[in-house]
Amino acid sequence: NAGVTQTPKFQVLKTGQSMTLQCAQDMNHNSMYWYRQDPGMGLRLIYYSASEGTTDKGEVPNGYNVSRLNKREFSLRLESAAPSQTSVYFCASSEFGVHRNQPQHFGDGTRLSIL
Amino acid sequence: RKEVEQDPGPFNVPEGATVAFNCTYSNSASQSFFWYRQDCRKEPKLLMSVYSSGNEDGRFTAQLNRASQYISLLIRDSKLSDSATYLCVVKENYGQNFVFGPGTRLSVLP
Repeated sequence: NAGVTQTPKFQVLKTGQSMTLQCAQDMNHNSMYWYRQDPGMGLRLIYYSASEGTTDKGEVPNGYNVSRLNKREFSLRLESAAPSQTSVYFCASSEFGVHRNQPQHFGDGTRLSIL
Repeated sequence: RKEVEQDPGPFNVPEGATVAFNCTYSNSASQSFFWYRQDCRKEPKLLMSVYSSGNEDGRFTAQLNRASQYISLLIRDSKLSDSATYLCVVKENYGQNFVFGPGTRLSVLP
C-alpha cells in the first residue's frame, strides 16, 4: 500500500542549481497536486493536474514547472533554485472532483534547503 | 480576507478535556469539506470528511453550517496522541482546488 511516493526525501542545493522532485501514486487517481509548506504559511498550491495531459497554476507557481508524465507520475522542477524556495514540498492525489468528499492523499514530503 | 480561516491557537488542554475548533470559509461554491491532522514534520492525513448533516467518528464530531459558511470539529476525551495541527480544507464540487486553512495546533497535556 504505497499510496503517494515522493523522492527524494531530503535535498540540499546551491542557489542556481536545478532539480526535479518526483511523485508517483498507485491509487489510479486522476488529479495530482504539488504544495509547499512554510512555517506560519500553511499549505500553498504550486501546480496541479486535474487529469493526465493537463496542468494548471496554483497560488505560487513562479519559479517552478511541472510535468504530468502519465496518470501515475507528476514531477516538479526547479530550473534555477533560489533561497526563497527552501521549504517542505508535498505531493498529493485525489479522485476526480465531480464526486463530493473525495479527499486528497499526501506523500510524506521532500525537505528542500537552498543555500 | 483569506479563503479559509481557523482559530489561531495554540490550544493547550489536559487529557480528558473536550476541545472545539472552528473554521470559516469565504467561497459559497465550496461543496466538499474535510478535517486533516498533521503531526510535526509529517504529511497531512485525512481525519474525517464533513457531511451536511454532521458526522461522528468515535471521539470526533464534525459539523457544517452552510448558511454561515462555518465548520467545526469537536474532540471529546482528549488523548495525548491527539496532539497535532488540525487543518480545515474546503473544495468546490467541480473544481480541483483544495483550499487549506492555516491550521490550529493542539497540545494535550498529561
